Amino acid sequence: DADVTQTPRNRITKTGKRIMLECSQTKGHDRMYWYRQDPGLGLRLIYYSFDVKDINKGEISDGYSVSRQAQAKFSLSLESAIPNQTALYFCATSDSGRSSNQPQHFGDGTRLSIL
Amino acid sequence: GEDVEQSLFLSVREGDSSVINCTYTDSSSTYLYWYKQEPGAGLQLLTYIFSNMDMKQDQRLTVLLNKKDKHLSLRIADTQTGDSAIYFCAEGAGSYQLTFGKGTKLSVIP
Repeated sequence: DADVTQTPRNRITKTGKRIMLECSQTKGHDRMYWYRQDPGLGLRLIYYSFDVKDINKGEISDGYSVSRQAQAKFSLSLESAIPNQTALYFCATSDSGRSSNQPQHFGDGTRLSIL
Repeated sequence: GEDVEQSLFLSVREGDSSVINCTYTDSSSTYLYWYKQEPGAGLQLLTYIFSNMDMKQDQRLTVLLNKKDKHLSLRIADTQTGDSAIYFCAEGAGSYQLTFGKGTKLSVIP
């Protein structure tokens, strides 16, 4: 979905390095999410944000932090990367309208490898 | 907590129908979604169904919902090689969060 852009698309780095993954969206959605995808484990929620002043931990937040710099931007940081954080990371957005139909819209992902 | 289960793999021959199944546990689910993930790409919303519906058809896609059994299926008619992908079932209860299954990898044999 070109409306949700993730950078970089691929990153290889070393254990102990600080890494930031960025996400920007043009959909005008209030809600943004970070997931990681691992083979056989599906998608797991790391953090989510309902608006600029709202940050919430997801299922697996340890070792990660986020920043919602603006409505359109949500970045994920790994303060000190470790090999088991090697995964495919996705950013997603959703509307906060009254309808209970709130599908999430995904970026193309960042493939992160930590050596 | 909520759980969504799918089989991990499905192989079909080109031209046949594919049926991907999903079960979920949250009885308060309001919408159920099917996403498609092609290699190297993110999840693309394919279709969804509201929980008070039994069936929804969209071109080659048919979604069936059995709310009593908490069972959802996605049927792809006349499956093509371009349908090869991972398909995720997800359920939402009107809140912020969607619960995803682990995905079913569909392989289409020419």
